Amino acid sequence: QTVVTQEPSLTVSPGGTVTLTCTSSTGAVTSAYYANWFHQKPGQAPRSLIYSTTGKHSWTPARFSGSLLGGKAALTLSDVQPEDEADYYCLLYYGGAWVFGGGTKVTVL
Amino acid sequence: EVQLVESGGGLVQQGGSLRLSCEASEFISSMYWMSWVRQAPGKGLEWVANTKQDGSQNYYVESVKGRFTISRDDAKNSLYLQMNGLRAEDTAVYFCYSSFGYWGQGTLVTVSS
Repeated sequence: QTVVTQEPSLTVSPGGTVTLTCTSSTGAVTSAYYANWFHQKPGQAPRSLIYSTTGKHSWTPARFSGSLLGGKAALTLSDVQPEDEADYYCLLYYGGAWVFGGGTKVTVL
Repeated sequence: EVQLVESGGGLVQQGGSLRLSCEASEFISSMYWMSWVRQAPGKGLEWVANTKQDGSQNYYVESVKGRFTISRDDAKNSLYLQMNGLRAEDTAVYFCYSSFGYWGQGTLVTVSS
């Protein structure tokens, strides 16, 4: 069974930078995993941030960026704002099926 | 931005069936993939199933194979999830999700034992 792992929680100061990572139990994450990133605030539906590792939707704030980092997919939040506090999920592609990571709770403090 | 609206959730007894629907505000024929994602109470997101643009390929998470069927009707701009043999662990909010990054607000499915 494929497992996708994320940091359970991260804390960042307003204006700071934080990087979230997404690891696959099958090995190094590459562009072929088409990593997607989402965030979700309490009581709300998820919102898409990043697709295909680095692609941004028209609504994605410029301070969010996706990349590959040391065999992992990564999401970097720069100049973090209070409204960025949320749960963040990655999603990886496995030849038709997809698997979500367990999520990272980002606290802005 | 495309709006997705799910319906069909509710309370059902274990072993029962439900059919979820997701209606899009615009043509979904351009949506290469459409998916169902669920979230159990207090838990993270779980990808459930997806269907390709022409409906020729469907994929499912292992736990629902043989019980759930995903389908789409592009003429009605709609996505469906037929759920049979429901179990308590299927209790969750079910979201419709499409390529291009659009999400619905979700519909709650509660399976009672």
